[in-house]
Amino acid sequence: EPEVTQTPSHQVTQMGQEVILRCVPISNHLYFYWYRQILGQKVEFLVSFYNNEISEKSEIFDDQFSVERPDGSNFTLKIRSTKLEDSAMYFCASSARGTAYNEQFFGPGTRLTVL
Amino acid sequence: QKEVEQNSGPLSVPEGAIASLNCTYSDRGSQSFFWYRQYSGKSPELIMSIYSNGDKEDGRFTAQLNKASQYVSLLIRDSQPSDSATYLCAVNGVTTDSWGKLQFGAGTQVVVTP
Repeated sequence: EPEVTQTPSHQVTQMGQEVILRCVPISNHLYFYWYRQILGQKVEFLVSFYNNEISEKSEIFDDQFSVERPDGSNFTLKIRSTKLEDSAMYFCASSARGTAYNEQFFGPGTRLTVL
Repeated sequence: QKEVEQNSGPLSVPEGAIASLNCTYSDRGSQSFFWYRQYSGKSPELIMSIYSNGDKEDGRFTAQLNKASQYVSLLIRDSQPSDSATYLCAVNGVTTDSWGKLQFGAGTQVVVTP
């Protein structure tokens, strides 16, 4: 069964460093998302992406964040200058449709720890 | 502020019994509703989607939607120890500009006891 994959599974970084989280969405999906979950808290939407453009972003997704589809398979989230409060699980998701009736399938996540 | 509310639990359910989980949402125009299962330390796993009022059954799971009451529920029949997890209710955006933004509740922890 097709699935979303993410690398690395765990990333440890120093405050102020740049990190890139990588995702390979399901192959025939065209709509991509990033969410994050701080330990013990809700899953929070960060950004949606379609046709090489951001479709929507949340208030969390400030200028420190960027997304890119560098090739036909990868989808990346970059945090330019990490802060302690960026420590969280980051989930990539993808969907086949871009309507409200889009079932989103999540990857296993990257645990980001900022020291 | 759009909200998705769930009882945090834990909901303790004897093995073989029915687990009943509830979710309310504040945005009356919400169109689609999803239930995800999340095991501790893992990612959300989609188990049900529902778009129309009424019931939708898939195996041991039944989702129920009542848009007038802004209420969606999940029933798990014949609960098994492997059903022990946190169940997340998620609601999709309303407008055409907000089709991708899932808003999640905090989740209900279910514990199935042998």
